[in-house]
Amino acid sequence: NAGVMQNPRHLVRRRGQEARLRCSPMKGHSHVYWYRQLPEEGLKFMVYLQKENIIDESGMPKERFSAEFPKEGPSILRIQQVVRGDSAAYFCASSPPMGGTGYSYEQFFGPGTRLTVL
Amino acid sequence: SQQGEEDPQALSIQEGENATMNCSYKTSINNLQWYRQNSGRGLVHLILIRSNEREKHSGRLRVTLDTSKKSSSLLITASRAADTASYFCATDASYSGGSNYKLTFGKGTLLTVNP
Repeated sequence: NAGVMQNPRHLVRRRGQEARLRCSPMKGHSHVYWYRQLPEEGLKFMVYLQKENIIDESGMPKERFSAEFPKEGPSILRIQQVVRGDSAAYFCASSPPMGGTGYSYEQFFGPGTRLTVL
Repeated sequence: SQQGEEDPQALSIQEGENATMNCSYKTSINNLQWYRQNSGRGLVHLILIRSNEREKHSGRLRVTLDTSKKSSSLLITASRAADTASYFCATDASYSGGSNYKLTFGKGTLLTVNP
């Protein structure tokens, strides 16, 4: 049972270019989350998606960042016109559908994509 | 404000010793999870403890949760060099209007186990 897959593992972009980060959740998981980790920091929530729906994007910058989780294929985090401050590790996590109210399931994380903006 | 904060920031011990890390948080939670991250790698889920649980074990790991003090501890017994990593606690909110999927992480405890 493969875990959460992310690609690429490392991505180098020049300022102004676009970055596309991909995430395939674990089999049977329909919930995807994106987090960003700056150096020496903990992870910060960015966005929560289910198939074809953005549930919560409150942690994502309003400009240049977008996320999708299409019916078929991986979830994509897209950063347009990257700047040096976007350099970070971006982690995707997935979880199975939540049962009942008030309980969440473990979120399983991928290996991350390390974005470097030159 | 920071929800989960680990203490200490760094811990260095000898192989075979026990390691204890603490986590404090500010708001009411549904669950608290502990993760491990090796340098430059992804996060590995260690254990989840629900707000109505007080203690949980998994192998050499023991997690406690004190909701009255809003704190948790992670104990690693008989540590090994391979346990060297950063350890993070992550909480989800249970306050009205809160979302229990949005994990909030602290900055982590860097554990070094010397052979």
